[in-house]
Amino acid sequence: QQQVKQSPQSLIVQKGGISIINCAYENTAFDYFPWYQQFPGKGPALLIAIRPDVSEKKEGRFTISFNKSAKQFSLHIMDSQPGDSATYFCAASMRGNTPLVFGKGTRLSVIA
Amino acid sequence: EPEVTQTPSHQVTQMGQEVILRCVPISNHLYFYWYRQILGQKVEFLVSFYNNEISEKSEIFDDQFSVERPDGSNFTLKIRSTKLEDSAMYFCASSERHPNTGELFFGEGSRLTVL
Repeated sequence: QQQVKQSPQSLIVQKGGISIINCAYENTAFDYFPWYQQFPGKGPALLIAIRPDVSEKKEGRFTISFNKSAKQFSLHIMDSQPGDSATYFCAASMRGNTPLVFGKGTRLSVIA
Repeated sequence: EPEVTQTPSHQVTQMGQEVILRCVPISNHLYFYWYRQILGQKVEFLVSFYNNEISEKSEIFDDQFSVERPDGSNFTLKIRSTKLEDSAMYFCASSERHPNTGELFFGEGSRLTVL
Protein backbone atom coordinates (compact mmCIF):
# COMPACT_ATOMS: atom_id res chain seq x y z
CA GLN A 1 0.00 0.00 0.00
CA GLN A 2 2.96 2.29 0.52
CA GLN A 3 4.32 1.57 -2.94
CA VAL A 4 4.35 3.69 -6.02
CA LYS A 5 4.77 1.65 -9.20
CA GLN A 6 6.58 3.37 -12.05
CA SER A 7 7.00 2.43 -15.68
CA PRO A 8 8.81 2.11 -17.98
CA GLN A 9 12.18 1.38 -16.42
CA SER A 10 13.93 3.04 -19.34
CA LEU A 11 12.84 5.14 -22.26
CA ILE A 12 14.52 6.34 -25.43
CA VAL A 13 12.91 9.26 -27.23
CA GLN A 14 13.91 11.19 -30.30
CA LYS A 15 14.68 14.87 -29.88
CA GLY A 16 11.47 16.83 -30.25
CA GLY A 17 9.29 13.87 -29.30
CA ILE A 18 7.04 13.37 -26.28
CA SER A 19 8.32 11.41 -23.29
CA ILE A 20 5.66 9.76 -21.15
CA ILE A 21 6.32 8.14 -17.79
CA ASN A 22 3.57 6.51 -15.77
CA CYS A 23 3.00 5.85 -12.09
CA ALA A 24 0.31 4.05 -10.15
CA TYR A 25 -0.49 3.88 -6.46
CA GLU A 26 -2.82 1.97 -4.16
CA ASN A 27 -3.04 4.08 -1.05
CA THR A 28 -5.92 6.53 -1.43
CA ALA A 29 -4.54 8.53 1.50
CA PHE A 30 -1.78 9.84 -0.77
CA ASP A 31 -2.55 13.43 -1.63
CA TYR A 32 0.68 14.90 -2.95
CA PHE A 33 2.41 13.62 -6.07
CA PRO A 34 5.74 15.16 -7.06
CA TRP A 35 8.13 14.22 -9.83
CA TYR A 36 11.84 14.42 -9.19
CA GLN A 37 14.60 14.63 -11.80
CA GLN A 38 18.05 13.22 -11.13
CA PHE A 39 21.15 13.77 -13.22
CA PRO A 40 24.13 11.42 -12.82
CA GLY A 41 26.14 12.20 -9.71
CA LYS A 42 23.49 14.55 -8.34
CA GLY A 43 20.67 14.30 -5.86
CA PRO A 44 17.05 14.27 -7.02
CA ALA A 45 15.52 17.69 -7.61
CA LEU A 46 11.84 18.59 -7.63
CA LEU A 47 10.53 19.05 -11.16
CA ILE A 48 6.78 19.45 -10.80
CA ALA A 49 4.07 18.33 -8.37
CA ILE A 50 0.31 17.92 -8.29
CA ARG A 51 -2.48 17.39 -5.78
CA PRO A 52 -5.57 15.29 -6.48
CA ASP A 53 -7.92 18.28 -6.68
CA VAL A 54 -6.73 18.96 -10.25
CA SER A 55 -6.40 16.61 -13.20
CA GLU A 56 -3.52 18.35 -14.92
CA LYS A 57 -0.67 20.70 -14.12
CA LYS A 58 1.64 22.22 -16.68
CA GLU A 59 4.96 23.97 -16.20
CA GLY A 60 6.72 24.80 -19.42
CA ARG A 61 7.32 21.58 -21.36
CA PHE A 62 6.44 19.39 -18.36
CA THR A 63 2.88 18.29 -17.63
CA ILE A 64 1.49 16.01 -14.95
CA SER A 65 -1.77 14.25 -15.76
CA PHE A 66 -3.64 12.84 -12.79
CA ASN A 67 -6.43 10.27 -12.84
CA LYS A 68 -7.83 9.95 -9.34
CA SER A 69 -10.30 7.17 -10.10
CA ALA A 70 -7.61 5.04 -11.73
CA LYS A 71 -5.06 5.98 -9.09
CA GLN A 72 -2.56 6.85 -11.77
CA PHE A 73 -0.49 9.87 -12.69
CA SER A 74 1.92 10.51 -15.47
CA LEU A 75 4.64 12.90 -16.54
CA HIS A 76 4.67 14.19 -20.10
CA ILE A 77 7.73 15.96 -21.45
CA MET A 78 6.89 17.80 -24.65
CA ASP A 79 9.53 18.63 -27.27
CA SER A 80 12.03 16.43 -25.43
CA GLN A 81 15.63 17.65 -25.55
CA PRO A 82 18.97 15.87 -25.00
CA GLY A 83 19.32 17.95 -21.82
CA ASP A 84 16.25 16.19 -20.46
CA SER A 85 18.20 12.94 -20.37
CA ALA A 86 18.08 11.95 -16.70
CA THR A 87 16.37 9.59 -14.30
CA TYR A 88 12.84 10.59 -13.33
CA PHE A 89 11.19 9.47 -10.12
CA CYS A 90 7.55 9.78 -9.24
CA ALA A 91 6.74 10.01 -5.56
CA ALA A 92 3.80 10.30 -3.23
CA SER A 93 3.06 11.35 0.31
CA MET A 94 0.11 11.78 2.59
CA ARG A 95 -0.85 14.25 5.26
CA GLY A 96 0.68 13.75 8.64
CA ASN A 97 4.28 13.15 9.46
CA THR A 98 4.99 10.59 6.77
CA PRO A 99 7.84 10.68 4.28
CA LEU A 100 7.86 10.75 0.51
CA VAL A 101 7.71 7.32 -1.10
CA PHE A 102 9.53 7.06 -4.43
CA GLY A 103 8.96 4.95 -7.49
CA LYS A 104 11.80 2.89 -8.95
CA GLY A 105 12.73 5.53 -11.50
CA THR A 106 12.77 5.82 -15.28
CA ARG A 107 16.00 6.43 -17.13
CA LEU A 108 15.20 8.73 -20.03
CA SER A 109 17.56 9.13 -22.96
CA VAL A 110 16.73 11.75 -25.56
CA ILE A 111 18.68 11.18 -28.75
CA ALA A 112 19.26 13.66 -31.53
CA GLU B 1 20.98 29.61 -3.85
CA PRO B 2 20.92 27.70 -0.56
CA GLU B 3 21.74 24.04 -0.83
CA VAL B 4 22.12 20.90 1.22
CA THR B 5 25.77 19.92 1.51
CA GLN B 6 27.06 16.46 2.30
CA THR B 7 30.45 15.08 3.29
CA PRO B 8 32.27 12.98 2.40
CA SER B 9 31.37 12.61 -1.25
CA HIS B 10 32.81 9.10 -1.24
CA GLN B 11 33.89 6.83 1.58
CA VAL B 12 35.40 3.38 1.35
CA THR B 13 35.36 1.28 4.50
CA GLN B 14 35.92 -2.25 5.66
CA MET B 15 33.01 -4.40 6.72
CA GLY B 16 32.33 -4.02 10.44
CA GLN B 17 33.71 -0.49 10.66
CA GLU B 18 31.72 2.51 11.85
CA VAL B 19 30.87 5.24 9.37
CA ILE B 20 29.53 8.73 9.94
CA LEU B 21 28.00 10.64 7.06
CA ARG B 22 27.54 14.36 7.54
CA CYS B 23 25.01 16.80 6.19
CA VAL B 24 24.39 20.50 6.53
CA PRO B 25 20.73 21.13 5.71
CA ILE B 26 19.41 24.45 4.45
CA SER B 27 19.47 26.80 7.41
CA ASN B 28 15.78 27.64 7.86
CA HIS B 29 14.56 24.10 7.21
CA LEU B 30 12.90 22.15 9.98
CA TYR B 31 12.53 18.63 8.56
CA PHE B 32 15.51 16.44 7.84
CA TYR B 33 15.80 13.10 6.09
CA TRP B 34 18.17 10.41 5.06
CA TYR B 35 17.45 8.37 1.95
CA ARG B 36 19.63 5.84 0.23
CA GLN B 37 19.94 4.66 -3.33
CA ILE B 38 21.63 1.40 -4.20
CA LEU B 39 23.24 1.73 -7.61
CA GLY B 40 20.58 2.02 -10.29
CA GLN B 41 17.75 1.36 -7.85
CA LYS B 42 15.01 3.49 -6.39
CA VAL B 43 15.46 6.09 -3.70
CA GLU B 44 14.59 4.45 -0.36
CA PHE B 45 13.53 6.28 2.77
CA LEU B 46 15.61 5.63 5.88
CA VAL B 47 14.62 8.14 8.54
CA SER B 48 13.00 11.51 9.15
CA PHE B 49 13.92 13.91 11.92
CA TYR B 50 11.93 16.81 13.27
CA ASN B 51 12.05 18.81 16.45
CA ASN B 52 15.23 17.03 17.55
CA GLU B 53 13.83 13.57 17.38
CA ILE B 54 13.16 10.80 14.90
CA SER B 55 9.66 11.18 13.54
CA GLU B 56 9.61 8.11 11.34
CA LYS B 57 11.97 5.36 10.26
CA SER B 58 11.83 2.54 7.77
CA GLU B 59 12.54 -1.14 8.32
CA ILE B 60 15.98 -0.53 6.79
CA PHE B 61 16.85 1.78 9.69
CA ASP B 62 17.67 -0.88 12.24
CA ASP B 63 19.75 -0.71 15.43
CA GLN B 64 22.94 -0.31 13.39
CA PHE B 65 21.80 3.12 12.26
CA SER B 66 21.47 6.32 14.25
CA VAL B 67 21.01 9.99 13.49
CA GLU B 68 21.99 13.06 15.38
CA ARG B 69 21.74 16.81 15.08
CA PRO B 70 24.54 17.71 17.44
CA ASP B 71 24.87 21.44 17.01
CA GLY B 72 21.86 22.95 15.27
CA SER B 73 23.47 22.91 11.83
CA ASN B 74 24.87 19.44 11.15
CA PHE B 75 22.76 16.34 10.70
CA THR B 76 24.63 13.05 10.82
CA LEU B 77 23.93 9.45 9.94
CA LYS B 78 25.99 6.83 11.76
CA ILE B 79 26.26 3.22 10.74
CA ARG B 80 27.76 1.34 13.65
CA SER B 81 29.02 -1.82 11.99
CA THR B 82 28.85 -1.66 8.23
CA LYS B 83 27.77 -4.59 6.09
CA LEU B 84 28.44 -5.21 2.40
CA GLU B 85 24.78 -4.47 1.65
CA ASP B 86 25.12 -0.98 3.14
CA SER B 87 27.04 0.02 0.01
CA ALA B 88 24.90 2.71 -1.57
CA MET B 89 24.56 6.41 -2.21
CA TYR B 90 23.20 8.11 0.88
CA PHE B 91 21.23 11.30 0.35
CA CYS B 92 20.45 13.86 2.99
CA ALA B 93 17.40 16.02 2.37
CA SER B 94 15.67 18.86 4.14
CA SER B 95 12.46 20.80 3.81
CA GLU B 96 11.11 23.98 5.28
CA ARG B 97 7.71 22.41 5.75
CA HIS B 98 6.48 18.85 5.81
CA PRO B 99 7.15 17.33 2.36
CA ASN B 100 3.43 16.91 1.87
CA THR B 101 3.22 20.68 1.63
CA GLY B 102 6.64 21.70 0.41
CA GLU B 103 9.66 20.78 -1.62
CA LEU B 104 12.28 18.34 -0.44
CA PHE B 105 15.83 19.52 -1.20
CA PHE B 106 18.45 16.83 -1.65
CA GLY B 107 22.19 17.00 -1.28
CA GLU B 108 24.51 15.50 -3.87
CA GLY B 109 24.96 12.37 -1.84
CA SER B 110 27.69 10.41 -0.09
CA ARG B 111 28.74 7.24 -1.84
CA LEU B 112 29.55 4.52 0.67
CA THR B 113 31.50 1.49 -0.47
CA VAL B 114 31.84 -1.36 2.03
CA LEU B 115 34.56 -3.91 1.22
